[in-house]
Amino acid sequence: DGGITQSPKYLFRKEGQNVTLSCEQNLNHDAMYWYRQDPGQGLRLIYYSQIVNDFQKGDIAEGYSVSREKKESFPLTVTSAQKNPTAFYLCASSIGHLNTGELFFGEGSRLTVL
Amino acid sequence: AQSVTQLGSHVSVSEGALVLLRCNYSSSVPPYLFWYVQYPNQGLQLLLKYTSAATLVKGINGFEAEFKKSETSFHLTKPSAHMSDAAEYFCAVSPNTGTASKLTFGTGTRLQVTL
Repeated sequence: DGGITQSPKYLFRKEGQNVTLSCEQNLNHDAMYWYRQDPGQGLRLIYYSQIVNDFQKGDIAEGYSVSREKKESFPLTVTSAQKNPTAFYLCASSIGHLNTGELFFGEGSRLTVL
Repeated sequence: AQSVTQLGSHVSVSEGALVLLRCNYSSSVPPYLFWYVQYPNQGLQLLLKYTSAATLVKGINGFEAEFKKSETSFHLTKPSAHMSDAAEYFCAVSPNTGTASKLTFGTGTRLQVTL
């Protein structure tokens, strides 16, 4: 089955540590996205990538980094510079960047900073 | 600029009752509008979308929504609620250029279905 796989599903981190969240898709989609979800705030865009080796900052990119070395993969690193990293992180993809705006989502990764 | 307002962070209905989840939008250009559903600890799934064709849009699981330009609304309805409809629902708007990176989500409405 085609889809988006995020790992790990749950992750605990100590303050000051960087962590990397994995996102892999086998939908052959060109565009990929990372969102952060906090209770009562909806989804906020962290980074997005339209093609391999290119990515753009979203609305809340500070304290995060990404790479897009392969079409299928778009990992997100939460750095120690992110002041409040505890959240639910969602990866998504779309057929192209310019389409009807329909996104396909993974099941998310819940990060807790201890 | 664009924004979405979902009225009511929590809605409770009885099984078999009408479901009505409200969404109002603001957009400086003609919009595309979406409803997504999220089950606990899962990602979002598209329920339905409006992309400037028919104003009454039918989606999965018996849901539908009507685009009303004069009211800047895109409310989600279902005639008869089922227990499996309990989830969080997000309304979203993007410019009609279809730029997915410009998708703006509302804060969500949690639907509870009671016996």
